[in-house]
Amino acid sequence: AQSVTQLGSHVSVSEGALVLLRCNYSSSVPPYLFWYVQYPNQGLQLLLKYTSAATLVKGINGFEAEFKKSETSFHLTKPSAHMSDAAEYFCAVSAMYVDSGYSTLTFGKGTMLLVSP
Amino acid sequence: DAGVTQSPTHLIKTRGQQVTLRCSPKSGHDTVSWYQQALGQGPQFIFQYYEEEERQRGNFPDRFSGHQFPNYSSELNVNALLLGDSALYLCASSLQGKGVGYTFGSGTRLTVV
Repeated sequence: AQSVTQLGSHVSVSEGALVLLRCNYSSSVPPYLFWYVQYPNQGLQLLLKYTSAATLVKGINGFEAEFKKSETSFHLTKPSAHMSDAAEYFCAVSAMYVDSGYSTLTFGKGTMLLVSP
Repeated sequence: DAGVTQSPTHLIKTRGQQVTLRCSPKSGHDTVSWYQQALGQGPQFIFQYYEEEERQRGNFPDRFSGHQFPNYSSELNVNALLLGDSALYLCASSLQGKGVGYTFGSGTRLTVV
């Protein structure tokens, strides 16, 4: 079974400041990890994903995340926030079921990023 | 290359009614998963279809059912609607065996009154 905990339902930063959104996961098998962004009244857009290759993953729009197995974390960062980054961010974990090959996503509750000028 | 298409975009139903939501997967994808996203929450997995069969199911009652067609498109049916079924319903497609490549649609906003 998998689970995701996102620390902080809301994070506020100033434009140009560092963005740090926290995600901790639990998984009984080696995980695949994802960060998605959701703008109001829209679906989910993939920012980046970890699939057991490099532990530092670079995504779109200047975001990156580092997989730390010892800390069971996959925190999302961006060096300099932009007004357009204001949205809700979801961390998700997936596992490939070895016997059946089927996988599903388990999401955290989300973190709303607020960016002030 | 078309992504995942969901219809309708918005829907208002009365408590007790039945509803059908539709999803066309991204070209080349053969697996469809459905998620329910209540207001202020993360998406919750409902079920996944592959080869026209339900392969995995989340913690949802039997009022939620689905179907996958030979062209890989899918429907989500909800019977005896409750106020608590009001949510954004998201469809995600992927290619079986390539579980890291999910593509989401923009969702159907269902309001039950």
